[in-house]
Amino acid sequence: NAGVTQTPKFRILKIGQSMTLQCTQDMNHNYMYWYRQDPGMGLKLIYYSVGAGITDKGEVPNGYNVSRSTTEDFPLRLELAAPSQTSVYFCASSSLTSDQETQYFGPGTRLLVL
Amino acid sequence: QKEVEQDPGPLSVPEGAIVSLNCTYSNSAFQYFMWYRQYSRKGPELLMYTYSSGNKEDGRFTAQVDKSSKYISLFIRDSQPSDSATYLCAMSPSNFGNEKLTFGTGTRLTIIP
Repeated sequence: NAGVTQTPKFRILKIGQSMTLQCTQDMNHNYMYWYRQDPGMGLKLIYYSVGAGITDKGEVPNGYNVSRSTTEDFPLRLELAAPSQTSVYFCASSSLTSDQETQYFGPGTRLLVL
Repeated sequence: QKEVEQDPGPLSVPEGAIVSLNCTYSNSAFQYFMWYRQYSRKGPELLMYTYSSGNKEDGRFTAQVDKSSKYISLFIRDSQPSDSATYLCAMSPSNFGNEKLTFGTGTRLTIIP
């Protein structure tokens, strides 16, 4: 199992450009999440999905969009990049067992908006 | 006031020392408490998972939850250079996947050989 994979690893965008951050998991998890991590700010939830076709906003959704057409994929779309979106983005998926929920994180995408 | 407070450090200790990492929180609804370890330029990985108050031990790691004080701790015994990482606490009202985790800001730990 590759786990959670993210592409690209690093990207520089100009203000106003758009891009899609890709996330794929091969663990057949229903739940998937997108977080951003800023220095000294911890992880903030952007969007999450409880299954294919179902998405919901997290704590900081403005400026982002998501879709979930398959169980495996959960892309994050930035339509009009702004300097405030400079961050490290992590995708995660979740396994709910009988007594414990574990979120598995991808390696992250570093985004710089200039 | 933040829902979860965590001292950002950095914290440097000599190899073999006992390390204590802590978080405080304000939301009494939190029932599930986690510690994640994040190496530089990597994603977080789950280290410890506890429910409600009490202690949980796993090898050199002990997680402690005191709900009456809204205080959780992670202890690392016989610390090793490989323990150098950022440690994030996280907590949730339930263990359902649609219940979001609230993370602390992370404590950067360096173990000096």
